[in-house]
Amino acid sequence: QSALTQPPSASGTPGQRVTISCSGSSTNIGTNTVNWYQQLPGTAPKLLIYINNERPSGVPDRVSGSKSGTSASLAISGLQSEDEADYYCAAWDDSLNAYVFGTGTKVTVL
Amino acid sequence: QVQLVQSGADVKKPGSSVKVSCQASGGTLGYAISWVRQAPGQGLEWMGRVIPIHGLTDYAQKFQGRVSITAAKTTSTVYMELNSLTSEDTAVYYCARASVSYPDAFDIWGHGTTVIVSS
Repeated sequence: QSALTQPPSASGTPGQRVTISCSGSSTNIGTNTVNWYQQLPGTAPKLLIYINNERPSGVPDRVSGSKSGTSASLAISGLQSEDEADYYCAAWDDSLNAYVFGTGTKVTVL
Repeated sequence: QVQLVQSGADVKKPGSSVKVSCQASGGTLGYAISWVRQAPGQGLEWMGRVIPIHGLTDYAQKFQGRVSITAAKTTSTVYMELNSLTSEDTAVYYCARASVSYPDAFDIWGHGTTVIVSS
């Protein structure tokens, strides 16, 4: 099944803002809500953003999500060393009747 | 707070089957339990899900006919069985819960179960 497309890597210095894009289609992002997951090295993924731009309890407000048409993006401002992780977007795909993940983006804090 | 507790690591021979369990501790299974796997150095791959309240399942096309996901409501446990294993099935397998409040997002994840397929 097709995955959503993300850039393989992104980086920034402490305090900077990093943005990660997620490109999909009319059958997934264009129709359904987008979620974002953070995966720290050696750990299980963690829900970071749900329903396009909502933050679960405990996620700082320097993390934000947005969606427009068939694309979505995740922004992390005030970058910190603890943000160094892999990030995945995800959405339900009505055509595949399946949940699809993005290809993943590795964020490095320089 | 609900935790998803998964069974331990396993080593299997090619052609065999593996069954991984996921038990909800301290709460319910929520709206649905999905299984997501991650091969070494690779991204996340959704395999399928079960909606425990009525046992309905959805499977990714890639795994159709080879995977079975079942729920035992009385013990709040979900099982994922994968058949005809090959080396390409070597991965960490995660269960993840979608709550009733937002059924398209996985708010709770298990710790992962490593499955190694090797002769």
